[in-house]
Amino acid sequence: QVQLQESGPGLVKPSQTLSLTCTVSNGSISSGGYYWSWIRQHPGEGLEWIGYIYYSGSAYYNPSLKSRLIISVDTSKNQFSLQLSSVTAADTAIYYCARDAGDGYNQFDYWGQGTLVTVSS
Amino acid sequence: QSALTQPASVSGSPGQSITISCTGTSSDVGGYNYVSWYQQYPGKAPKLMIYDVNNRPSGVSNRFSGSKSGNTASLTISGLQADDEADYYCSSYASSSTLVFGSGTKVSVL
Repeated sequence: QVQLQESGPGLVKPSQTLSLTCTVSNGSISSGGYYWSWIRQHPGEGLEWIGYIYYSGSAYYNPSLKSRLIISVDTSKNQFSLQLSSVTAADTAIYYCARDAGDGYNQFDYWGQGTLVTVSS
Repeated sequence: QSALTQPASVSGSPGQSITISCTGTSSDVGGYNYVSWYQQYPGKAPKLMIYDVNNRPSGVSNRFSGSKSGNTASLTISGLQADDEADYYCSSYASSSTLVFGSGTKVSVL
């Protein structure tokens, strides 16, 4: 079955850029009908949709993060990535990557295990 | 884009039925039949339980069912079991190709 795995630094300094990569295995990121997503969860809090991207490169972002956010895809490596700039302590969270099987309509059927990113000097 | 509103906690005894509400607006829950529900155990990734308001993925127990009326969606768990104790989140497609999650509900089995 499809597997997703997040990777990247667990500690980022304030004002710097948070960069994470999600590697997809046992499935092609270029398969149509799927959107590849980032979701985060602040410690002890609820889920927050960050954004998603189609294999073609079309990306859609949470309006509250849009000015600091870039989501990109590398089909040759079967990976997609997240870059969040000018981070603050408020960006400390568990970051999940997930597959939306609902053609972008909110059907996250496969998730990574999540990676904790702490923003601190 | 505000989070959908869910009760902080819902509890029930084994065998009972409970319902979790998820209230949004006409721009999200009320405007589209794209409401999903996720179950999350502590320290684990969420699991899809319901999609498109009332559809269950393969492998999800038929004790879980979803519905929607106006701007409010609901998840009903019937025949409550001990391992249903978890956090539950609703989510909805919203306008302009965005998604929004609910605030989350902690389900306790008494």
